[in-house]
Amino acid sequence: EDKVVQSPLSLVVHEGDTVTLNCSYEVTNFRSLLWYKQEKKAPTFLFMLTSSGIEKKSGRLSSILDKKELFSILNITATQTGDSAVYLCAVVVTGNQFYFGTGTSLTVIP
Amino acid sequence: KAGVTQTPRYLIKTRGQQVTLSCSPISGHRSVSWYQQTPGQGLQFLFEYFSETQRNKGNFPGRFSGRQFSNSRSEMNVSTLELGDSALYLCASSFLGAAGGETQYFGPGTRLLVL
Repeated sequence: EDKVVQSPLSLVVHEGDTVTLNCSYEVTNFRSLLWYKQEKKAPTFLFMLTSSGIEKKSGRLSSILDKKELFSILNITATQTGDSAVYLCAVVVTGNQFYFGTGTSLTVIP
Repeated sequence: KAGVTQTPRYLIKTRGQQVTLSCSPISGHRSVSWYQQTPGQGLQFLFEYFSETQRNKGNFPGRFSGRQFSNSRSEMNVSTLELGDSALYLCASSFLGAAGGETQYFGPGTRLLVL
């Protein structure tokens, strides 16, 4: 059975800290891995990863995929209160099937 | 470009009733996927429509059905509602679907409460 597991389930940090969120997966016919940020509304797209070892970066956020070990990490440096959200990881397999993890809830304290 | 829109935004129904939710994708997008999000189960895939055809289906009972129109707008129907159907229903659109690893853009969701 295809599955996506995110860890930790929740995280509380202080502003300025650096956090690393993990997403591991076991799927057949992997196509890509996506990271989303969800606040009190629908998820918004952050990154799409298809190749191992190539870091995607956007401001203070970065992500990398390891297709051999079947995981991805999302790093957030110099966290701000606006980073507080649930971060979702989704794996796409052939046939347009999306498998989502249950998310990591990040709270950034001022 | 306008984003994905969903109507209604909030809905309250009673057990046994049926409900229809609507999703209008981003202009030019032909793929529409539906998801159910609950606190306990997270985001779960319901089905995907592409060019009016159901292309993929998740593990939900037959009470959950959908369709897509020629303008790519999609509807989702849930019959004989159960308390456990209370959830946020999200729709997401993309141009071709995720077959090539393309990302999806989510609508704001319809929050359904079944009493």
